[in-house]
Amino acid sequence: DQQVKQNSPSLSVQEGRISILNCDYTNSMFDYFLWYKKYPAEGPTFLISISSIKDKNEDGRFTVFLNKSAKHLSLHIVPSQPGDSAVYFCAASVRGSQGNLIFGKGTKLSVKP
Amino acid sequence: NAGVTQTPKFRVLKTGQSMTLLCAQDMNHEYMYWYRQDPGMGLRLIHYSVGEGTTAKGEVPDGYNVSRLKKQNFLLGLESAAPSQTSVYFCASVTGVTEAFFGQGTRLTVV
Repeated sequence: DQQVKQNSPSLSVQEGRISILNCDYTNSMFDYFLWYKKYPAEGPTFLISISSIKDKNEDGRFTVFLNKSAKHLSLHIVPSQPGDSAVYFCAASVRGSQGNLIFGKGTKLSVKP
Repeated sequence: NAGVTQTPKFRVLKTGQSMTLLCAQDMNHEYMYWYRQDPGMGLRLIHYSVGEGTTAKGEVPDGYNVSRLKKQNFLLGLESAAPSQTSVYFCASVTGVTEAFFGQGTRLTVV
C-alpha cells in the first residue's frame, strides 16, 4: 500500500513554461514533505521541503504547495530549463520517525529547448 | 568535505556470493539509511541506524544485514546474493531536520 503516490511517471514541458509535478499521500501523520531531484548515475539531491504547518514554500524558481485537506502537494518550476530534466521524487516523514523518509515512485521531467 | 561516499560504485556478483557495501559520511550525522531503487519502484528503505551500534529494519530488509560499528560508517551486507537483489543501492545520512544527503549509489548486478 503506497503511502506516497506520484501518479505521473513522466512529464514533458517546453523550456520557459511552468512544470507542475504532483504528489498525493495517504498517511495523515506525515508532517514534513520534501522533493528530491535525481540525475542518471547520481544520488538524489535535496531540492525543497515544506512543513505541514505551512501551505507554501518558495526557493527561487521552485515552489512547493501543500493542501493538507486533500493530502496533496505539488512542485512548481518556473521557468523550466533544460537542466531541470531529471527524475523528481516526492518524500514524506513523520515527526519522531527518526528521519525515515517514505518516497514516491518518481516523475521523470523532460524540458525541451 | 566529501559528504556521503559509497564503495564500490559498480559490482557484478554470481548467485550465492557475498559482499559488503560501505557507506561513509563525514557530516557527523546520527542517522544513516540504506535504500534500493528499482525501475518504477522509487526508493525503498532496507535498513537504517539511529546511532553508533544501533540498526533497525526498513521496508525491504530480507536478504540483507547491516552494521554501524562507527558513527561515520554504515555497512550493508549480502550473505548469499540472489538475482532479485540486482538494483541500485543508495546510502543516505540525515540531519535532525529530516533532509537526507545521499551517496552516488552502487549499481549491483547478480547473475
